[in-house]
Amino acid sequence: AQSVAQPEDQVNVAEGNPLTVKCTYSVSGNPYLFWYVQYPNRGLQFLLKYITGDNLVKGSYGFEAEFNKSQTSFHLKKPSALVSDSALYFCAAWRDSSYKLIFGSGTRLLVRP
Amino acid sequence: GAVVSQHPSWVICKSGTSVKIECRSLDFQATTMFWYRQFPKQSLMLMATSNEGSKATYEQGVEKDKFLINHASLTLSTLTVTSAHPEDSSFYICSAKTSGRAGISYNEQFFGPGTRLTVL
Repeated sequence: AQSVAQPEDQVNVAEGNPLTVKCTYSVSGNPYLFWYVQYPNRGLQFLLKYITGDNLVKGSYGFEAEFNKSQTSFHLKKPSALVSDSALYFCAAWRDSSYKLIFGSGTRLLVRP
Repeated sequence: GAVVSQHPSWVICKSGTSVKIECRSLDFQATTMFWYRQFPKQSLMLMATSNEGSKATYEQGVEKDKFLINHASLTLSTLTVTSAHPEDSSFYICSAKTSGRAGISYNEQFFGPGTRLTVL
């Protein structure tokens, strides 16, 4: 079965420090991977995606993600965290050619001032 | 570009009544729309996929007679929760994708802001 895993329920970092939110995937064929952010009582905002090409993908708000095929991972990173980055982050992948997304369980990021 | 709206943003209803939620793509034509359900502190679960002009396809375990989906135009899909009960209380989110348009990737879903349904 195809799946996306986010092993950490919560990640805590201090403002100004680098942050990493982990994601691993298990999909058939070439992976199409996405990161979304959700603020309280809001829908999802697109951060970045990996379709093909460079393994390091740059996205919105200074976020980037590194695709690692051998480790089947797509970790989200940011060099310097902001308090305003505190939110719920979802990793997702195309389930199949139908464009349906399967989501990880989400990771709550808390950035301390 | 690529804005998706939902209406209402929140709704409270009595048990046994029906509630309709609208999902609109404001600046592009959405050939496909998806409906998700999100429980508190949990991930999004895909409920159904609707394509304009055809019947929606439901995920396993989702009652199609309870969650009626209509995708009558390229910019509007509706989800009707029929005979709602407290266990239907949830955050419902739609997303839309296009078959392709200048400036919009065909492989990206654009999400609405969500609708919080509370059934008393």
